[in-house]
Amino acid sequence: EVQVVESGGGLIPPGGSLRLSCAASGFIVSNDHMGWVRQAPGKGLEWVSALYSVGSTFYADSVTGRLAISRDNSKNTLYLQMNNLRAEDTAVYYCVRISGRYRTPNWFDPWGQGTLVTVSS
Amino acid sequence: EIEMTQSPASLSVSPGERATLSCRASQSVSSNLAWYQQKPGQAPRLLIYDVSTRATGVPARFSGSGSGTEFTLTINSLQSEDFAVYYCQQYNNWPPWTFGQGTKVEIK
Repeated sequence: EVQVVESGGGLIPPGGSLRLSCAASGFIVSNDHMGWVRQAPGKGLEWVSALYSVGSTFYADSVTGRLAISRDNSKNTLYLQMNNLRAEDTAVYYCVRISGRYRTPNWFDPWGQGTLVTVSS
Repeated sequence: EIEMTQSPASLSVSPGERATLSCRASQSVSSNLAWYQQKPGQAPRLLIYDVSTRATGVPARFSGSGSGTEFTLTINSLQSEDFAVYYCQQYNNWPPWTFGQGTKVEIK
């Protein structure tokens, strides 16, 4: 079964750092495009970051310079390093595989169950 | 950045009836549009991609249509498990991939 499982969320003060992990099974992370999508409490979905199979990385303007996406091929795991966190980063963070025809990064499937990051003093 | 706008924000429908949800793009996204379903306390789930192709395991009562800037998700004969929030997402111009703000389908 193709699935992803996130971990690493928690309560962190403003300005702090946190690393989220996403363990994949049923597919190889390095062969696919991967990403993170977040959802603030009671709000909609916001794409945050993407890592292409070839290694290119992309970030939403709101997080550029503060978040870094990476992967560990030996662990088949995706990461999101979050630095200088702000209150507005409070959200559930979902790990996603970015799928598409002819291996283009189009739609998000599957989604993990999400991990909650709360930035508060 | 392409802005996606969904309407209505919420929709009250009786079980067995049809629900029609709309999604509009600020510029053409061709046929590069997906729909997701999110039930309370759960992660979103891919329903439809390429405007009208149902994802694996999605019942035939879900159908999508449209092209360019106007899209529709239709749910025929609503079942109790269909009451959820639905999001559209464009993948014509990325990054960023952008979502609509969601339409909540509630029980009437």
